[in-house]
Amino acid sequence: DVQLLESGGGLVQPGGSLRLSCAASGFTVNSYAMTWVRQAPGQGLEWVAAFTGSASVTYYADSVKGRFTVSRDTSKNTLYLQMNSLRAEDTAVYFCAKGPPGFAYASDWGQGTLVTVSS
Amino acid sequence: DIQMTQSPSTLSASVGDKVTITCRASQSINIWLAWYQQKPGKAPKLLISRASNLESGVPSRFSGSGSGTEFTLTISSLQPDDFATYYCQQYNSYPKTFGQGTKLEIK
Repeated sequence: DVQLLESGGGLVQPGGSLRLSCAASGFTVNSYAMTWVRQAPGQGLEWVAAFTGSASVTYYADSVKGRFTVSRDTSKNTLYLQMNSLRAEDTAVYFCAKGPPGFAYASDWGQGTLVTVSS
Repeated sequence: DIQMTQSPSTLSASVGDKVTITCRASQSINIWLAWYQQKPGKAPKLLISRASNLESGVPSRFSGSGSGTEFTLTISSLQPDDFATYYCQQYNSYPKTFGQGTKLEIK
């Protein structure tokens, strides 16, 4: 069974940094497109970043470009989201998601981890 | 970037009703559209991919249609478990944008 387990969320001050992890099981992260999606409190879903499968290309939403970096560690079968220069508007639940073979929509989701940016 | 617009934002309906949610793309996305259901405090769940392909385990009362720029999600006979928020997402190109969501409420 596919499982995705996010961790690393918490309270951070504006301008600070945080690294989220998404530990995967039941598949290998380097074979599928992996995505980070966030949801601010009471708001809709926002696509944040993606790491494609074999091509190893990364993509970012304009709202996080230059501040966030997505990476993966195949030895740990884990996806990461390094978040720098955090702002209040980055406050959200961050979900990790896996795409089906060859596509980058989200067929499987983690439970999410809450990031709160506040002084 | 491709903009996705859902309508309505909120929909009030009763058990047994047939409901339709519309999703429009700002440019053609062929059939590269997914629909998700989300309940409060939970991760979204994939319902439909390729605009009309029902995922395994999803009840047949859900159906999707459309291509190009206009798409619909239809629930043929609402069940109590269907009251949730629904999102469309285009995966034609990056960034893989979502619609703003449609909240389906009990009338």
